[in-house]
Amino acid sequence: AQRVTQPEKLLSVFKGAPVELKCNYSYSGSPELFWYVQYSRQRLQLLLRHISRESIKGFTADLNKGETSFHLKKPFAQEEDSAMYYCALRNSETSYDKVIFGPGTSLSVIP
Amino acid sequence: ETGVTQTPRHLVMGMTNKKSLKCEQHLGHNAMYWYKQSAKKPLELMFVYSLEERVENNSVPSRFSPECPNSSHLFLHLHTLQPEDSALYLCASSHENLFRVAGELFFGEGSRLTVL
Repeated sequence: AQRVTQPEKLLSVFKGAPVELKCNYSYSGSPELFWYVQYSRQRLQLLLRHISRESIKGFTADLNKGETSFHLKKPFAQEEDSAMYYCALRNSETSYDKVIFGPGTSLSVIP
Repeated sequence: ETGVTQTPRHLVMGMTNKKSLKCEQHLGHNAMYWYKQSAKKPLELMFVYSLEERVENNSVPSRFSPECPNSSHLFLHLHTLQPEDSALYLCASSHENLFRVAGELFFGEGSRLTVL
């Protein structure tokens, strides 16, 4: 079964410290993964997707098929990075498309 | 208005009431979704509409009834709900290509439902 896990419910780091939000997935096909973010009082929005191989707001994420992971990283955390982060997997094995979300990690960056 | 708009933002209802949640998107998308966000569970996909056709009913109880009259509007009709149905209900939309592969999901701000 397709599944996304995020082992940390809460993560606190100091400003300027590196941050890594973990994401693991189980999927039998070729995965397509995303990170969505929800800032305080804002709607859930896409942060980045693995196929784009881009850095958004200093964040990067590398798909590791061997470890079935898609961890989100940033070398120097900023206060404005405090938010709820969701890892998501696209399930393309059905006749239509759907996105499955992990439980989320709440990141708190301490000034 | 632009983006995805959900109304009402907050709703309190009794178990015998009938109410509806509304979602509207002004992005020209052709797929719309209802997700449920509870305090103790991940985002749960409830329903998917692709080109106004329901393509997913994720084992959702019949007390939730979706309706998609056109590609811009999505409703969730609620009746005889239970207190455990209290949650944040999120609507999202996306653009699907010919192969039904969806692009980025655009979310509304959600409707916070409390069932007494």
